[in-house]
Parts: sequence; C-alpha cells; structure tokens
Amino acid sequence: DIVLTQSPALAVSLEQRATISCKTSQNVDNYGISYMHWYQQKPGQQPKLLIYEGSNLASGIPARFSGSGSGTDFTLTIDPVEADDIATYYCQQSKDYPMDTFGAGTKLELK
Amino acid sequence: EVQLVESGGGLVQPGRSLKLSCLASGFTFSNYGMNWIRQAPGKGLEWVASISSSSSYIYYADTVKGRFTISRDNAKNTLYLQMTSLRSEDTALYYCARRLRRVSPFDYWGQGVMVTVSS
Repeated sequence: DIVLTQSPALAVSLEQRATISCKTSQNVDNYGISYMHWYQQKPGQQPKLLIYEGSNLASGIPARFSGSGSGTDFTLTIDPVEADDIATYYCQQSKDYPMDTFGAGTKLELK
Repeated sequence: EVQLVESGGGLVQPGRSLKLSCLASGFTFSNYGMNWIRQAPGKGLEWVASISSSSSYIYYADTVKGRFTISRDNAKNTLYLQMTSLRSEDTALYYCARRLRRVSPFDYWGQGVMVTVSS
C-alpha cells in the first residue's frame, strides 16, 4: 500500500498563509497526472473535496485554496487563512486504485 | 443537488451482521462508481469497498475482505454494504462516496452512518 504522511497539526494566524504537506511512499504520478487529492473535514461533517489531481480546484472552492507538487511531495496552501478554514485536512492518492489510501490528517489550528 | 443519505447503522454485538444503505439523488447514479469509506472515532479515513457503475468490478480492503459485501441497485439509486462477522475494530462512521472514474477523487460524500460493534 502507498503510505501518505502528514504532520498531525499546524498552528496558523488568521490572514496568514498555511502550508500543509503530504509525502507519499511511492510516486503517485502517471502520464503527467498526479493522482493526489485533498479534502477538508470540519467536526461533525463529512469530508469535502478541495483539490483534485494535485492542483485542480474543485467546484465551488474558494481560490485561496491551492495545491502543488508532484511525484512524492505535495502541498496544500491556504492563503489567506480565514476562520472558516479551521478544520482537518486529508490527502488521498488514487494512483494505486482500487487501494486508495489517505493521510492521517493535519488539524489546522489558530495560533 | 447531489445527495447521498446513508442508513442502517446501529449497535451490534461482535460476530453479528448489519446492512447499510445509501440512497442517492440529484445525479445519474448509474454513471458513477460508488464506495464505502469509514472513519473510526477520532481517527482518519479508510477506504473499505468500491463497486463500478454496472457492478462489473468490485474491490475490498484487506481488512474487510470475506466479511463485507458491496452491492448496488441502479433502479433504486441505492448502494449497499452487507457486513458480517463484525468485530470491535469495525466500529466507525461509514460514509458512501461517489467517483466518476476509476482514479477520480471522491467528489461527494454522504453524512455518514455510525456502526458500533460492542457486547
């Protein structure tokens, strides 16, 4: 299985930039596409898709969210952070379909 | 509006069975692969099972293989998960989620249904 590693938590101030990383144990690129996706989960809610295929913004997601990276190193950036962004963020790979795996999540907290 | 509504959860004793359902609306159900993904209390997300749009391809995580069965009824816009030989480690919030293609992201998720396995 492809293992995804995320830092457990990140403290950030409002209106500052948050950078959340996800490192994979194997390359999740194929034919120029990164099969890395990002989700936001607030307490008591289901996950919501933010970014797909490394850097594509999902429908209805504000432009302050962006994704970057390739191969085994990926980043979700929130700039600027708003109060509504306080949540847990998960990365997920689908390169190894059907054995999709998720990172353990990064909890974004206010400094 | 896309909606996925899970039902059928509850408290069940170890070794017993339970069947979850997920009713879909707001999209053409038969065009999408469907999945069950679970989240143990206070933990991360774990993919459990997937079924292709026409039920031709079915896959399971090793942790549930041989005990869980995923199925769908496209006429009823409903996804199912039959769970047998339940264990305490199966205790989790179970989400259904759709994906358009094999390697697509899970673009919509239901609100989840809780399954608690305990004596």
